[in-house]
Amino acid sequence: AQSVAQPEDQVKVAEGNPLTVKCTYSVSGNPYLFWYVQYPNRGLQFLLKYITGDNLVKGSYGFEAEFNKSQTSFHLKKPSALVSDSALYFCAVRDMGLTFGSGTRLQVQP
Amino acid sequence: GAVVSQHPSRVICKSGTSVKIECRSLDFQATTMFWYRQFPKQSLMLMATSNEGSKATYEQGVEKDKFLINHASLTLSTLTVTSAHPEDSSFYICSARASSSYNEQFFGPGTRLTVL
Repeated sequence: AQSVAQPEDQVKVAEGNPLTVKCTYSVSGNPYLFWYVQYPNRGLQFLLKYITGDNLVKGSYGFEAEFNKSQTSFHLKKPSALVSDSALYFCAVRDMGLTFGSGTRLQVQP
Repeated sequence: GAVVSQHPSRVICKSGTSVKIECRSLDFQATTMFWYRQFPKQSLMLMATSNEGSKATYEQGVEKDKFLINHASLTLSTLTVTSAHPEDSSFYICSARASSSYNEQFFGPGTRLTVL
């Protein structure tokens, strides 16, 4: 079965600092990986995906993620965090639907 | 871009009643729609996959007689929670996959169900 793991329940960074939200995956075959963001009481917004090609994927709102096959990781990154980036972030892998990680709450402090 | 709507956004009902939630793809055709459930401070769990014109495929542990799914057209799927109980209170989110894009799902804004 496909799965992803987000080892951190919460990440805190200061505004303007770089941020990383971690995700590792376990799949059979080629992984199709996604990052989504969720604001309170709302659905999910797509940030980016890795299907094939370049290991560094650029997405919405200045986010990017690096696919690392040897470490089975797909960490989400942003060079300079904004307070408005504070939200719940989910890593996901495509199975039949999507299998989501447990989520990481990002808190960007002014 | 691709937009998915859900209606209602919020519903409160009495225990024992049934509630229908609609999921619509507004500007694309979705051969496949997915229904997820999210408990407070938890991740999304896939409940079922519905394909237009065929029966839904339910994930293990999800009661198909309790959560009725109908995907009658390429732009509409409905989830009916039958004989709702307080433990069914949750945030229900649908997503739709375009016929032309196997890899990407577009999510609705979610429906918060509270069963009294």
